[in-house]
Amino acid sequence: DAGVIQSPRHEVTEMGQEVTLRCKPISGHDYLFWYRQTMMRGLELLIYFNNNVPIDDSGMPEDRFSAKMPNASFSTLKIQPSEPRDSAVYFCASSLGFRTVYGYTFGSGTRLTVV
Amino acid sequence: AQTVTQSQPEMSVQEAETVTLSCTYDTSESDYYLFWYKQPPSRQMILVIRQEAYKQQNATENRFSVNFQKAAKSFSLKISDSQLGDAAMYFCAYRLNSGYSTLTFGKGTMLLVSP
Repeated sequence: DAGVIQSPRHEVTEMGQEVTLRCKPISGHDYLFWYRQTMMRGLELLIYFNNNVPIDDSGMPEDRFSAKMPNASFSTLKIQPSEPRDSAVYFCASSLGFRTVYGYTFGSGTRLTVV
Repeated sequence: AQTVTQSQPEMSVQEAETVTLSCTYDTSESDYYLFWYKQPPSRQMILVIRQEAYKQQNATENRFSVNFQKAAKSFSLKISDSQLGDAAMYFCAYRLNSGYSTLTFGKGTMLLVSP
């Protein structure tokens, strides 16, 4: 398995633009998580899905953030409009089962820079 | 809410030496998992070792071992015979083993390894 695949690896955009981050989870995994990593706040959970259904989006910082999972093999995290304070590394992770003893499998992240 | 604290922002070790990274957590629960993840410069989050709270025996994975002190809510990671490839950010994480609890991370410890 290729693991969790995220694209793009780096994204630089201007303030006010729409940004879409993409994630392909491991085939067969039924949970998908989006995390954001910053120096100040560390790794924060934004939202997670179970079988393509959003379960908890309480970590989504503002209405400018939205996430979708149209099928079991694809998820997006969209920021519209983007702001400089959204600059961070965004990780997608997946797992088989919610309380898996193996933790989550993470992608390599997307480094977002908003200028 | 559960919190995870890593009090050492940065640690240094020489090759072949042993280093211990500290982690404490705050919970009133008794059934949970603890994890250590490694994040090298590639950004990939790699699971290093895990510990189930009900197991008294400390987990070991090759050169990596933990010192799990449940009463003290402490979960330190010991790296023996340190190698240059161990240089990375290390994250401690907690997950309750019931309900809809997701991984909660500490802010990380940067480990520097010198020849």
